[in-house]
Amino acid sequence: EIVLTQSPTTMAASPGEKVTITCRASSSVSYMHWYQQKAGASPKPWIYDTSKLASGVPNRFSGSGSGTSYSLTISSMETEDTATYYCQQWSRNSLITFGSGTKLEIK
Amino acid sequence: EVQLVESGGGLVQPGSPLKVSCAASGFTFTSNWLNWIRQAPGKGLEWVASINPDGSNTYYPDTVKGRFVVSKDNAKNTGYLQMNNLRSEDTAMYYCARDRGLPWGYFDYWGQGVMVTVSS
Repeated sequence: EIVLTQSPTTMAASPGEKVTITCRASSSVSYMHWYQQKAGASPKPWIYDTSKLASGVPNRFSGSGSGTSYSLTISSMETEDTATYYCQQWSRNSLITFGSGTKLEIK
Repeated sequence: EVQLVESGGGLVQPGSPLKVSCAASGFTFTSNWLNWIRQAPGKGLEWVASINPDGSNTYYPDTVKGRFVVSKDNAKNTGYLQMNNLRSEDTAMYYCARDRGLPWGYFDYWGQGVMVTVSS
């Protein structure tokens, strides 16, 4: 099983601050996907195929990475970005695993 | 508009079975994999089952293999998750999600979820 380790677990950022969330895989993966989940709501597709923004996602978000190291970046934190973010991978041998999540709050 | 609507959750006793459903609309149900993902209260997301478009292949993680069975009725545009011998640790919100397709493993639509509580 491919284990995804997200860091940090929780963080708080000020409005306008740059935010980076990392996701490290225990083995190399081809793509990483990210989901945003707000309290009491279903997860929303957010970034797919490592760097493509899902429909409606603001362009202050970006994704990057390869192999075992991936990241989600917010260029300028806004209040509405407060949520938990999960990374997720698919591989033929390991199938589907999620990271444990990063809770992002506004300062 | 793609929609996935789960139903059938509730409170059950340990050891009991429960079947939850996922009604799909707005897309060709026979074209996409269907997946189930759960979230225990206050915890993260956990994949629990996948089924291919024609229903001939299913996959599970070890945590539920042998107890959970995923199926789909393409005539009814509905997917199912049969959960047997339920345990307290199965208590969670259960979401169905559509796989986008090649490349596999990206869930582009999710349902609102259905709560399953296992308690005596």
